[in-house]
Amino acid sequence: DVKVTQSSRYLVKRTGEKVFLECVQDMDHENMFWYRQDPGLGLRLIYFSYDVKMKEKGDIPEGYSVSREKKERFSLILESASTNQTSMYLCASSPGLAGGRSSYNEQFFGPGTRLTVL
Amino acid sequence: SQQGEEDPQALSIQEGENATMNCSYKTSINNLQWYRQNSGRGLVHLILIRSNEREKHSGRLRVTLDTSKKSSSLLITASRAADTASYFCATAPRGTYKYIFGTGTRLKVLA
Repeated sequence: DVKVTQSSRYLVKRTGEKVFLECVQDMDHENMFWYRQDPGLGLRLIYFSYDVKMKEKGDIPEGYSVSREKKERFSLILESASTNQTSMYLCASSPGLAGGRSSYNEQFFGPGTRLTVL
Repeated sequence: SQQGEEDPQALSIQEGENATMNCSYKTSINNLQWYRQNSGRGLVHLILIRSNEREKHSGRLRVTLDTSKKSSSLLITASRAADTASYFCATAPRGTYKYIFGTGTRLKVLA
């Protein structure tokens, strides 16, 4: 079975802190995604990566950055956490065409990290 | 507004009844997918239907796709208390890498 793991289930940080959220998948998937989920807004795409060291902005990238140094790991970084970044963060992966940016396949999600910024 | 919009926002039924939820979208798509999310957890993929398919079944799930109306429906037959969850549709618009999720339907199945 595909497994996507996230470093923490719950995280509490203070305003201004630098926050790292880690995501690891074990199925050699090309594509990895970071979403945030807020009540009434559904899932919104923050960043997407289709290959190692490759990234593209999603719909709400402001205040976030990402890193993908290895194929299995995709990190989301909050450079200076703010209270409006309190949310559920979901990582996902999917297989893609080699070197391509395919959205033809299902996504596999991690359990989520509930981040609270005080 | 988001590409995928589910309807209704919330649904409450008795165990054994069927549950139907709908999804509308705006642009041409490669495929449409349905996901389930149990409270406070990650999403689990249920079924994918490609743009050239009209109907698909998986166990107690039946999905239809009408590309002329840009809509899809998910039917869960003989519902169980364990089906209580939020259900999301996700569309993969043509020419993009993105999956666009709706805001979900909250289903409650009463035992």
